[in-house]
Amino acid sequence: NAGVTQTPKFQVLKTGQSMTLQCAQDMNHEYMSWYRQDPGMGLRLIHYSVGAGITDQGEVPNGYNVSRSTTEDFPLRLLSAAPSQTSVYFCASSYSGSRNEKLFFGSGTQLSVL
Amino acid sequence: GDSVTQMEGPVTLSEEAFLTINCTYTATGYPSLFWYVQYPGEGLQLLLKATKADDKGSNKGFEATYRKETTSFHLEKGSVQVSDSAVYFCALSSSNTGNQFYFGTGTSLTVIP
Repeated sequence: NAGVTQTPKFQVLKTGQSMTLQCAQDMNHEYMSWYRQDPGMGLRLIHYSVGAGITDQGEVPNGYNVSRSTTEDFPLRLLSAAPSQTSVYFCASSYSGSRNEKLFFGSGTQLSVL
Repeated sequence: GDSVTQMEGPVTLSEEAFLTINCTYTATGYPSLFWYVQYPGEGLQLLLKATKADDKGSNKGFEATYRKETTSFHLEKGSVQVSDSAVYFCALSSSNTGNQFYFGTGTSLTVIP
């Protein structure tokens, strides 16, 4: 009964370093997405995917890459981290991405870029 | 574009007090509206939703009514408990947003015994 699993829970990077935030779901959901949560800004959509091999940009995609090679996994890559990317990152999934469906969230990754 | 505006917090209430958290939306069509809750150290989870005008969503004693005439979806609970302390997010999804969810800024609620 894992749901949406994010790793790592915490990460500290230096400016310019790269890293990948992992997200996996075991509910056979077609739709997966990444959000960042910043104080006073709520959650903002970074990238999303409606199925394996299909990805699209959200509201704040710059500085992030994604790919979706399997239904289960949706990693988020930071190619050259910047202090502005210090945030809490959430992965979320739903069955098909319909606007009425419930989103299932992971427990988040807290990222600090120094 | 479509968006939601949520009342700013933080909100501090005594146990058994009445809670209202205001949320208004801007949309050219007919969005679906949601309240999500985030407990400390956790991800968001759906609290309730309403998908058309005049619908009332309810769960765990919380209620919200989709009011098209005032473009609002205010969250209410008649008697809050300490365990309700969390951050509450209003959100919408619509065809105008490509079925993507847009969240408000969140309202932090602390309930004191």
